[in-house]
Amino acid sequence: EAGVAQSPRYKIIEKRQSVAFWCNPISGHATLYWYQQILGQGPKLLIQFQNNGVVDDSQLPKDRFSAERLKGVDSTLKIQPAKLEDSAVYLCASSFGGGLQETQYFGPGTRLLVL
Amino acid sequence: QKEVEQNSGPLSVPEGAIASLNCTYSDRVSQSFFWYRQYSGKSPELIMSIYSNGDKEDGRFTAQLNKASQYVSLLIRDSQPSDSATYLCAVIPANAGGTSYGKLTFGQGTILTVHP
Repeated sequence: EAGVAQSPRYKIIEKRQSVAFWCNPISGHATLYWYQQILGQGPKLLIQFQNNGVVDDSQLPKDRFSAERLKGVDSTLKIQPAKLEDSAVYLCASSFGGGLQETQYFGPGTRLLVL
Repeated sequence: QKEVEQNSGPLSVPEGAIASLNCTYSDRVSQSFFWYRQYSGKSPELIMSIYSNGDKEDGRFTAQLNKASQYVSLLIRDSQPSDSATYLCAVIPANAGGTSYGKLTFGQGTILTVHP
């Protein structure tokens, strides 16, 4: 079974530029999550999709971050404009249904460095 | 108070010893608890989940949950150098409506080093 795929794996941009990340979840998984992990911290949930609907985006900085999941499969996360503090690893995860006891499977992440 | 707090590290144990990792959480109605392992430069990987009070064992790993004390721990027996990683405690809290959609809240992680 193929895992969660993410691209690109690394990205270096200058502040105020824009950047986009892509995620393809495990086939059949209805729930998709985007996490931000700053060095030395645990992952923080940015947004959660159930199929193509947003379930939770309470911690998404909506003035600069946006995300979509068209057709309930792939997802993109965009930052525009980027700030220095956005330097982090962006992790995509998926689970079958998003329930209380379901395992979330993480992709390899995209490392973003904002200069 | 942080929602999920882990004992500060780093934690260093000799090979063959028991490593003990601790975690407390603030949301009393939390129902699901997880331990993830994260190797340097890699993504988190689930190693244990626990949902009811008591102990749950899986190979060399034992998770312990005490909901009254809002405490969850992970014991690693016969620690190996390959266990050296960051261990993340994660909790699914209940939202205001009493249900949850699988939103994981992570602690800051504890770095474990097992030396030969």
